[in-house]
Formats: sequence, C-alpha cells, structure tokens
Amino acid sequence: DAGVIQSPRHEVTEMGQEVTLRCKPISGHNSLFWYRQTMMRGLELLIYFNNNVPIDDSGMPEDRFSAKMPNASFSTLKIQPSEPRDSAVYFCASSRVGATQETQYFGPGTRLLVL
Amino acid sequence: AQSVTQPDIHITVSEGASLELRCNYSYGATPYLFWYVQSPGQGLQLLLKYFSGDTLVQGIKGFEAEFKRSQSSFNLRKPSVHWSDAAEYFCAGASGGGADGLTFGKGTHLIIQP
Repeated sequence: DAGVIQSPRHEVTEMGQEVTLRCKPISGHNSLFWYRQTMMRGLELLIYFNNNVPIDDSGMPEDRFSAKMPNASFSTLKIQPSEPRDSAVYFCASSRVGATQETQYFGPGTRLLVL
Repeated sequence: AQSVTQPDIHITVSEGASLELRCNYSYGATPYLFWYVQSPGQGLQLLLKYFSGDTLVQGIKGFEAEFKRSQSSFNLRKPSVHWSDAAEYFCAGASGGGADGLTFGKGTHLIIQP
C-alpha cells in the first residue's frame, strides 16, 4: 500500500501568490482530512470530507482557504492569496469509516513557506 | 468543548529507563483515543488506539497505553526506551459515531539521554 501521498513536499512562495497543495488518499478510504501544524497552534483540523463531500470546514481560517475533493482519489487545498502567516506544515490524512471511528493515516506533509 | 491536554512539553529520559507520557481528555462521552509519534521532518505514525473494551492497549515499538475513565487519562508507557524513541508524541481524541476530525494535544517532546 502506497500510503497517503502529498505533493509538493516543500513549497516556497511569495506573499500574494496562489498555492495549491495536493493529496491522494489511500485506496478504499472514504474520509479525507486536512490538518495544519504550526509552532504556535500545534496540529489543527482545517476541513474533512466523507465520500467526497465536505462535512466540516469550521477550521478553515478564512476565505483565502478552499478545499475540494473532485473524486475519491484526489483532493486539493488552495490558498489564494497566500500570506506569511500561512507558513506551516499541511498534512493530509485518510481513513475508512463505517459505523465507528477508524484510524487516520497521515501523509508526509507539505512544508509551506510564504515570504 | 472537546479537548486533549498533554501537560508535559518536554520529557528527558535516560536510555533504558521507563517512560510515561501523560494525556488527559475532556469529552462528553468516552472518546476514541490515539497516540501518534512524529520524527523530525516526518509525518505522524500511529502508535496505538483505544476504541472500547480492554483498557490496556498494546501498540507498535513496545508502547502501551492505559485508558482510565475515572482520571480522564490515556497515558503512554514504555518499559525501556531506546535512543530511536526520541521524537514528538501526540495524543489525540475523536468523538464516536463515524468520521470525525481529530483533536490533538500540543505534543510532548521526548529527549533521550545516553
């Protein structure tokens, strides 16, 4: 099993630019999660999808952030325009959920630096 | 509000000594609880999880954790640490009943002394 795949692994951009982070969940998983990790706030949930449908986006910091899941094998997190305070490590995780909570498996993360 | 608390930001342990990392939770009902480990520059790896049943759960790499409802705790233990155990450890919780985002503690940084 390939695990959760994220790209790019590192991204350096300038303030005001659009940033797109990509995630491929584990095959057969039906839930996908986006998390952000910073020194100040730790790991926090941004948004999650069940069966490609966004369920809870209350963690998305503001309208500059958007996420999509057009099919079961691909999701994007977009920041437009980016700001220096968006610098963080962004993790994607997936799980196979039935009647009970299942384990979330994390990707390696995308380390974003906005200058 | 649901929360997970890890009281210790840093823990230093000598190699070969025993380890206990603390985790407390605040949920309306018994949550699903997890311990993850993160090595520098890496993603999160699941060590163990508690859903229900036996309150002492075994995980990978020789780790175990005990769920104590009366203390709202889910502490992680290892009888003898190795230098390779140096990492950041995160306790996380989720409500039951289907897919739900995890609520993480702030993490405990484990330092191993030779």
